[in-house]
Amino acid sequence: ETGVTQSPTHLIKTRGQQVTLRCSSQSGHNTVSWYQQALGQGPQFIFQYYREEENGRGNFPPRFSGLQFPNYSSELNVNALELDDSALYLCASSFVGFSTEAFFGQGTRLTVV
Amino acid sequence: DQQVKQNSPSLSVQEGRISILNCDYTNSMFDYFLWYKKYPAEGPTFLISISSIKDKNEDGRFTVFLNKSAKHLSLHIVPSQPGDSAVYFCAAPPANAGGTSYGKLTFGQGTILTVHP
Repeated sequence: ETGVTQSPTHLIKTRGQQVTLRCSSQSGHNTVSWYQQALGQGPQFIFQYYREEENGRGNFPPRFSGLQFPNYSSELNVNALELDDSALYLCASSFVGFSTEAFFGQGTRLTVV
Repeated sequence: DQQVKQNSPSLSVQEGRISILNCDYTNSMFDYFLWYKKYPAEGPTFLISISSIKDKNEDGRFTVFLNKSAKHLSLHIVPSQPGDSAVYFCAAPPANAGGTSYGKLTFGQGTILTVHP
């Protein structure tokens, strides 16, 4: 059984650019959620995907978007990057109806300069 | 609007002693709580949870207590070990959680626990 894996682990982008982060869910999991963790803060819920559709969103603007693929892997896309987007981005997967816990990847550290 | 709060940024404890990590919440609709532990360069890992129908849940060295009237929960680690040194987050899914809700967590800011040998 593989865990949740994210790529890349680190990334540096320039303000105004676009970025795509990737997540491979734990085997058998059918939901994926994305979180943003700023330095010294707890993770903040961005959005969740279930059955390839967005299933809830936190307080993040539309320039944060995502996709879930039939194999349950997922992407987080951020357009028009701002300096405040610099953070650790965490992906978490879970299986509806089986478990109450979400399993997290190691995260992608995004730095916007 | 910080619905889940951990007011102690850090806690330092001697090995073998008890560690008590605290968490307060403002949303009285929350009915399920989880604690996650995070080591540097790793994602958070689930530690223990509690439903609002209980006031205590125990798993080995870890016990979580819930005081609904005070909207307060605490995580007790006894005895504390150096390997417990990590950041601890309390979190709650939306009220009446079920199905996909467990992936939509509201986290506290975290408490850095350091256990000294």
